[in-house]
Amino acid sequence: GAVVSQHPSWVICKSGTSVKIECRSLDFQATTMFWYRQFPKQSLMLMATSNEGSKATYEQGVEKDKFLINHASLTLSTLTVTSAHPEDSSFYICSATPPLSTDTQYFGPGTRLTVL
Amino acid sequence: ILNVEQSPQSLHVQEGDSTNFTCSFPSSNFYALHWYRWETAKSPEALFVMTLNGDEKKKGRISATLNTKEGYSYLYIKGSQPEDSATYLCASSSGYALNFGKGTSLLVTP
Repeated sequence: GAVVSQHPSWVICKSGTSVKIECRSLDFQATTMFWYRQFPKQSLMLMATSNEGSKATYEQGVEKDKFLINHASLTLSTLTVTSAHPEDSSFYICSATPPLSTDTQYFGPGTRLTVL
Repeated sequence: ILNVEQSPQSLHVQEGDSTNFTCSFPSSNFYALHWYRWETAKSPEALFVMTLNGDEKKKGRISATLNTKEGYSYLYIKGSQPEDSATYLCASSSGYALNFGKGTSLLVTP
C-alpha cells in the first residue's frame, strides 16, 4: 500500500517552454502532497505544500508564478514549471501523506528535468 | 546545528559486515526523525519514524536509535547484503515539513 507515482520520469525541453509533472497517489487519498527538488550533490529541498482544493503554500525563495501547483483531486497534484530555463534543471520529487498517517510521507520515484 | 547532517557521505563495505551511519539534526522544535532507503530509479522507501528520546526501532537487519536531547540518530545494518546498497536519507520534522540531510550512499560488495 501507499504507492505514489510520478510522470514523466524524465523530460528534456527547450528553454522557454513549460513542463507539467504529475504526482498520483495510487491506493490512498492524499489531502496533502509535497513537492521537493534536488540539485546535484544537495539534499532534497521542500518547494511547496499542496492541499486539495486550496492554494499551495510555497517555501521561501520558491517563485509561485514560476512553479504552478494544482491539487484538484485527492489523488492528483501537478507541478508546472513555466518558461523553464537551464537553471531549473533539477530532480523534482513529490510525496503524499495518507489521512491517518500524518508522520510518514510516501514518495514518488521523481522526475529528472533537463532544460536545454 | 541548523541543518540535518549525515555522515559518512559514502561507505563501501563487504558482504556480511555490519555498519552504521549518523544523522545530526537541530534539537529545537523537534517533532520526528525519519529514515528512508533510496535505491536508484526507485521511490524512497520509508524505514522508520521516531519521535521520542531513546526510541529504538528495528526492521529485519536494520535498526535505528534516537537521541532528541543531543540531536542525533544512528542507523545500523547488521550483516550487510548487496541488496542493502542504496542511499540512506534522514530527515527531521518540526511539523509536516521534512528537512533532509544529503544522505549516506552505501555500497555492499560480495
